[in-house]
Amino acid sequence: GENVEQHPSTLSVQEGDSAVIKCTYSDSASNYFPWYKQELGKRPQLIIDIRSNVGEKKDQRIAVTLNKTAKHFSLHITETQPEDSAVYFCAASRSTDGNQFYFGTGTSLTVIP
Amino acid sequence: KAGVTQTPRYLIKTRGQQVTLSCSPISGHRSVSWYQQTPGQGLQFLFEYFSETQRNKGNFPGRFSGRQFSNSRSEMNVSTLELGDSALYLCASSLAVSAEGQYFGPGTRLTVT
Repeated sequence: GENVEQHPSTLSVQEGDSAVIKCTYSDSASNYFPWYKQELGKRPQLIIDIRSNVGEKKDQRIAVTLNKTAKHFSLHITETQPEDSAVYFCAASRSTDGNQFYFGTGTSLTVIP
Repeated sequence: KAGVTQTPRYLIKTRGQQVTLSCSPISGHRSVSWYQQTPGQGLQFLFEYFSETQRNKGNFPGRFSGRQFSNSRSEMNVSTLELGDSALYLCASSLAVSAEGQYFGPGTRLTVT
């Protein structure tokens, strides 16, 4: 089955700096890659996603890039703010497999004011 | 639209007992997935139901089972509880037949003593 690895496990940045979280996947058939943000004590929330026919997608301060050849994808957060502090999870799925997602182990991001 | 709801929110059981958790998806969503979240293992996929049929199943023992009703509400059952089953159980719903971003419920915190 699919194996998703996520790095780093913890990340601290100064407010206003950028943060980058990287994930690799093993199954070349995976073609859908969402990112979730989970604040302490709250449910995971979808923040951005990308499909394999696209190399990059942006939404305001958040962007995701995908390198299909190398089988890795990354989350980029620019101009970080304290409210960006949370655990971020990447995931991978084959769209033909319905909604079976394989999650990374999470990155705890702390934005220092 | 109302979000995904889960009941109960907290549950304490003893080893050997069984438990049933409930999930009501967003109105119109036909896919419901269940995940186990623990500090050590992260988010692990249990199973997915679509139109009352189990479409995908993760690598969990047969003590974990589920079902989906005609109104898309879903239940999961864990029999013969073990201490290691203590976790946050999350369900997530989505519209589509194929993979797309899911919307998570608040989770049920199960503690097995």
